[in-house]
Amino acid sequence: AQSVTQPDIHITVSEGASLELRCNYSYGATPYLFWYVQSPGQGLQLLLKYFSGDTLVQGIKGFEAEFKRSQSSFNLRKPSVHWSDAAEYFCAVGVQAGTALIFGKGTTLSVSS
Amino acid sequence: DAMVIQNPRYQVTQFGKPVTLSCSQTLNHNVMYWYQQKSSQAPKLLFHYYDKDFNNEADTPDNFQSRRPNTSFCFLDIRSPGLGDAAMYLCATSSQRGRIYEQYFGPGTRLTVT
Repeated sequence: AQSVTQPDIHITVSEGASLELRCNYSYGATPYLFWYVQSPGQGLQLLLKYFSGDTLVQGIKGFEAEFKRSQSSFNLRKPSVHWSDAAEYFCAVGVQAGTALIFGKGTTLSVSS
Repeated sequence: DAMVIQNPRYQVTQFGKPVTLSCSQTLNHNVMYWYQQKSSQAPKLLFHYYDKDFNNEADTPDNFQSRRPNTSFCFLDIRSPGLGDAAMYLCATSSQRGRIYEQYFGPGTRLTVT
C-alpha cells in the first residue's frame, strides 16, 4: 500500500535561514507528488507538484522540491524563510487522476526572529 | 477566479443535532472529496464523488452522509454529531477528465459540537 512519511513533526528555523522539509514515500512506481501548505484555520494550498520530467520543481512563494527516485524522497526547500512561512506543511502522493491523495502527517514550521 | 467555496466557515451545533455543510466549485471538476481533519492531524478522506458515483471510505462512520445534486455542489450531512466529530471539514476537487491530478481545496468549515 502507498504511504507517505514526514519524519519531522516540528521544525523551527530562524528568519532568513534556509529550510528543508523531508518527505519519503512508498509506492511501486513513480507517483504524483505534491506539497501543500496550511495556515491556521485555513484550507490547504498547493505549493508545487511533480508528475514527470525535471526532478527539480519550482513552486509558489519561493519554494522548490527535488524528486529523488533512488531515495523515494521529495524534499521541500526554501533558501530564505520569512516569518509568514510559519504553517503546517503536508506532503502527499497521488497514484491516479481523480483518486484520493495520501497525505503525510505534516510538519509544523515555526519561524523565529 | 475559479475556486472552491465552503459554507459556513464556522458551524456550532449541539450534540445529536443534525448539521449540513456545503461546498461549491466553479472549476467544473468532475471529482469532489470530503475530508475530515482533526487538530494537528493530516486530512482523512471520508468519501468522494466521481461524477455522480459515490465512493465511501471503508472506515467512514454511518453518521456521515453526502449528497451531490449537480456538478457544482456537494453537501456533507452529519446525522447525529458527537463530540468526536468536532473537526475541520475540507472539501476538495480534481478532474479525471482533464487529467488534473492535484486537488484544489476550499477554506474549510470548522465544526464545533457542544
